[in-house]
Amino acid sequence: QKEVEQDPGPLSVPEGAIVSLNCTYSNSAFQYFMWYRQYSRKGPELLMYTYSSGNKEDGRFTAQVDKSSKYISLFIRDSQPSDSATYLCASSPNTGGFKTIFGAGTRLFVKA
Amino acid sequence: KAGVTQTPRYLIKTRGQQVTLSCSPISGHRSVSWYQQTPGQGLQFLFEYFSETQRNKGNFPGRFSGRQFSNSRSEMNVSTLELGDSALYLCASSPGTGTNQPQHFGDGTRLSIL
Repeated sequence: QKEVEQDPGPLSVPEGAIVSLNCTYSNSAFQYFMWYRQYSRKGPELLMYTYSSGNKEDGRFTAQVDKSSKYISLFIRDSQPSDSATYLCASSPNTGGFKTIFGAGTRLFVKA
Repeated sequence: KAGVTQTPRYLIKTRGQQVTLSCSPISGHRSVSWYQQTPGQGLQFLFEYFSETQRNKGNFPGRFSGRQFSNSRSEMNVSTLELGDSALYLCASSPGTGTNQPQHFGDGTRLSIL
């Protein structure tokens, strides 16, 4: 079993839809949770960064962490074609470095 | 503020050759990590450097090595290249331990082995 599990998709939605991206993790020591967005031929770009449980909102993006169920989510409201990318979840017991474990990434297509 | 810069962006090599990839972290960042990204395996950790010292290493053979310079710039080297080494190699930097700041990635070097 991988420490961070993520459905690779692809996930296809119409423009304007609410997108829900999810990951599960197995290591109870994970304290930090990240979402990265990766466009084709580019490196991962940090979208959201949260510590412990709870919600964090940034514009159209909301990250949610439920440590009791070891479940992390990213919601995208009013999705746009420019949101089409691969979304990677990541978890770590500390900040940065080698103990950051990445999910496989979910490929998202937003159709105009 | 400039982001993480990786050079070259693309590289084509043949089996048996060696290659050196370069990474310049965000100004002020002292920790540099390297990852290999492939469609089948996703992002896999190679190693992490902080203040010129390798702090951690992933599960890769000794053909993969790296170093960090006093200005925090880092290089990784792969010797005796194999077809399976074809991948996107990503460098990520962060301020360092205890700063509660996540990693930021460069756009990677795409290495193709013929």
